[in-house]
Amino acid sequence: AQSVTQPDIHITVSEGASLELRCNYSYGATPYLFWYVQSPGQGLQLLLKYFSGDTLVQGIKGFEAEFKRSQSSFNLRKPSVHWSDAAEYFCAVGYTGGFKTIFGAGTRLFVKA
Amino acid sequence: DTAVSQTPKYLVTQMGNDKSIKCEQNLGHDTMYWYKQDSKKFLKIMFSYNNKELIINETVPNRFSPKSPDKAHLNLHINSLELGDSAVYFCASSPSTSYNEQFFGPGTRLTVL
Repeated sequence: AQSVTQPDIHITVSEGASLELRCNYSYGATPYLFWYVQSPGQGLQLLLKYFSGDTLVQGIKGFEAEFKRSQSSFNLRKPSVHWSDAAEYFCAVGYTGGFKTIFGAGTRLFVKA
Repeated sequence: DTAVSQTPKYLVTQMGNDKSIKCEQNLGHDTMYWYKQDSKKFLKIMFSYNNKELIINETVPNRFSPKSPDKAHLNLHINSLELGDSAVYFCASSPSTSYNEQFFGPGTRLTVL
């Protein structure tokens, strides 16, 4: 069965420091991968997505993610974190022929001054 | 212009009551979803409709009944509310298949007393 794992429940980084949020998926074929961000009291917003092609994808707000098939990973990165990046981040996977997108449990990002 | 809207934003009610949450999207999408997000931020798919047809019906108590009068609307009716129904409910839409991004509404926070 398809699954998504986000190993870190929460992460704290200093403002200006780099960030990497981990995501691992389980799926036999090539997945469709997403990262969403949820600010407090808001709905989810798409940061970026991977369907095929270049394994390094750029998203909004300066985020990028790299698809590594050999590691079944799709980690999210940002070179310099801003205080406004504090939020909940969700990795998600979709698959061919299915209507269901499976979400990870989320990683809460705290940014300290 | 709000892409996916939900009403009400907050809903406080007593156990045993019946309540409805409404969702509308103006994106012209074929597929709509209901998710439940618990206090630990875990996001669980409940239902999905594609062109007014139910395509996903997860293990949800039959007290929950979705209704899609047309492609742009997906409502959620809950009978005999229980304490465990307290959560944030998100509506989302996507063009048609899982490898398209989903657009989320702002959520409805349901509190059952």
